[in-house]
Amino acid sequence: RKEVEQDPGPFNVPEGATVAFNCTYSNSASQSFFWYRQDCRKEPKLLMSVYSSGNEDGRFTAQLNRASQYISLLIRDSKLSDSATYLCVVNPNNNDMRFGAGTRLTVKP
Amino acid sequence: DAGITQSPRYKITETGRQVTLMCHQTWSHSYMFWYRQDLGHGLRLIYYSAAADITDKGEVPDGYVVSRSKTENFPLTLESATRSQTSVYFCASSDIEQFFGPGTRLTVL
Repeated sequence: RKEVEQDPGPFNVPEGATVAFNCTYSNSASQSFFWYRQDCRKEPKLLMSVYSSGNEDGRFTAQLNRASQYISLLIRDSKLSDSATYLCVVNPNNNDMRFGAGTRLTVKP
Repeated sequence: DAGITQSPRYKITETGRQVTLMCHQTWSHSYMFWYRQDLGHGLRLIYYSAAADITDKGEVPDGYVVSRSKTENFPLTLESATRSQTSVYFCASSDIEQFFGPGTRLTVL
């Protein structure tokens, strides 16, 4: 079993749609959690950290369920510019980040 | 310019040759990382460094060597390149968030 698992997609949604991605992790001792965004052939960039209480940044909401060991990302009112691959990242201990393989999202007009 | 840079951006080499990928950051971050990204695997940590002269293995270190004589540089060497090392290599540095370089696309023939 991979340490971090994501549905690879692709998710194809129309503009304005709400889309949700889930990610599961195997190491129950993991300390911190993130979502990164990666555009085609570019480097990953931090989208948001994921806190135990859940957190929101504009149209993006991240949630963590430690008991079930999964993380989610919700994107509301999808824009064309949201098309990218979304990487779930889990930090089992200091500075040892484990990346999921990514979920590809395409937002269509 | 401030940031993290990698060179070369593209490299084609032959099996058995030694290759060095360069990484340079201007933020004076203590931590630096090398990842490889392959389809279906996501990003996998090769080596990381907590400070100058301190390096440690990541998830997939075999076949790679690193050094860190200066805080700002973290070169990655493939001592005898193999076809399985064909990949995209990302360097990153971190304070809290990890910042990635633009990547090096390496092809081993």
